[in-house]
Amino acid sequence: AQSVTQLDSQVPVFEEAPVELRCNYSSSVSVYLFWYVQYPNQGLQLLLKYLSGSTLVKGINGFEAEFNKSQTSFHLRKPSVHISDTAEYFCAVSDNNAGNMLTFGGGTRLMVKP
Amino acid sequence: DAGVIQSPRHEVTEMGQEVTLRCKPISGHDYLFWYRQTMMRGLELLIYFNNNVPIDDSGMPEDRFSAKMPNASFSTLKIQPSEPRDSAVYFCASCRGLPSTDTQYFGPGTRLTVL
Repeated sequence: AQSVTQLDSQVPVFEEAPVELRCNYSSSVSVYLFWYVQYPNQGLQLLLKYLSGSTLVKGINGFEAEFNKSQTSFHLRKPSVHISDTAEYFCAVSDNNAGNMLTFGGGTRLMVKP
Repeated sequence: DAGVIQSPRHEVTEMGQEVTLRCKPISGHDYLFWYRQTMMRGLELLIYFNNNVPIDDSGMPEDRFSAKMPNASFSTLKIQPSEPRDSAVYFCASCRGLPSTDTQYFGPGTRLTVL
């Protein structure tokens, strides 16, 4: 079985500061990893995903994430955040044995302060 | 494309009443998902369909919940009878290819309040 742990439920940060949102997963096989963002009163939308190849994945809105197999992590980073980045961020994992299911983490609320 | 469409956006009902949530997936998408989001339990997959056929409904909490997909452009999630603990935001999502690798597109959600 696969699982996802997002270590921080809330991350407050000042505007223009860097941010890292942490995600760790557990799976016995090769994985596919995703980050989704949910803005207030909206559905989730994809930020980026790792399927194979380069372990550094670039997404929309200046976000990037790095797949680290040895540490079973897929942390999300942005060098300088904006007020508009205030949202909930979900890490998700799937694999070929998961019956096509995505397993989502509990989410991290990013709060960008002026 | 208009994206995934859900209706209603908000629903307030009384305990014991029947509730029907509706979803129109993106045209050409073969998979449709129903999720429930609450503060306590986070985002839970309730059921998903492939080519209109239910594949996995193990996330449906109990027999009061049922979902149908009569055609490729429409799905419903029904709760009968509703209870206060069903209060949540219900999302519908769709994707074109295998959900393990393809992007899921979410609708705006239906916020359900059961009094």
